[in-house]
Amino acid sequence: NAGVMQNPRHLVRRRGQEARLRCSPMKGHSHVYWYRQLPEEGLKFMVYLQKENIIDESGMPKERFSAEFPKEGPSILRIQQVVRGDSAAYFCASSPTVGQVLANEKLFFGSGTQLSVL
Amino acid sequence: AQTVTQSQPEMSVQEAETVTLSCTYDTSESDYYLFWYKQPPSRQMILVIRQEAYKQQNATENRFSVNFQKAAKSFSLKISDSQLGDAAMYFCAYRVGGSNYKLTFGKGTLLTVNP
Repeated sequence: NAGVMQNPRHLVRRRGQEARLRCSPMKGHSHVYWYRQLPEEGLKFMVYLQKENIIDESGMPKERFSAEFPKEGPSILRIQQVVRGDSAAYFCASSPTVGQVLANEKLFFGSGTQLSVL
Repeated sequence: AQTVTQSQPEMSVQEAETVTLSCTYDTSESDYYLFWYKQPPSRQMILVIRQEAYKQQNATENRFSVNFQKAAKSFSLKISDSQLGDAAMYFCAYRVGGSNYKLTFGKGTLLTVNP
């Protein structure tokens, strides 16, 4: 019973390149959340997605950042034209729906992707 | 806006002893949840313990317990009989109740366990 899988674990990009971070939720989970952890900070909410829908992207920077969760395949967090300030650990979490209730107290995190921008 | 404050950037404890990590929060909500997460060097966020605001009884999970003081908006974590495997970064987190999904985290406390 695999947990939330994120890859790559480490990603190095030069300024101006694109970064793609992948997240496969736990089996049976249809809700995905992305959080960012800047150095010496706690995790900050970025975006909440369900299959093929962005539910809440209020924590996403307005430019260069996008996220998707297609019908098939993992959720992708894309950062275009990366800058040094994007260097951080990016965490994905998933939760199930129990009936019509979002069981968000059962939130499972992945091990994160550490993005380093040179 | 809700905020979570962890005033101890680092703490240390001797193996087998007890340590308490502090957390305070600010909210105007009456229905909310509080959490402690552990982040070991592997970086995975692991839920340690959860407290519902409407429950007066403090949550307990084996060696981990909380002291929830709702009026003071304080939520400290006590680790008894500390073990080497408890060494990690500990984050206090808050979430509004209902169907809300956003967690607000503190900056964390790095716990060192000395043998």
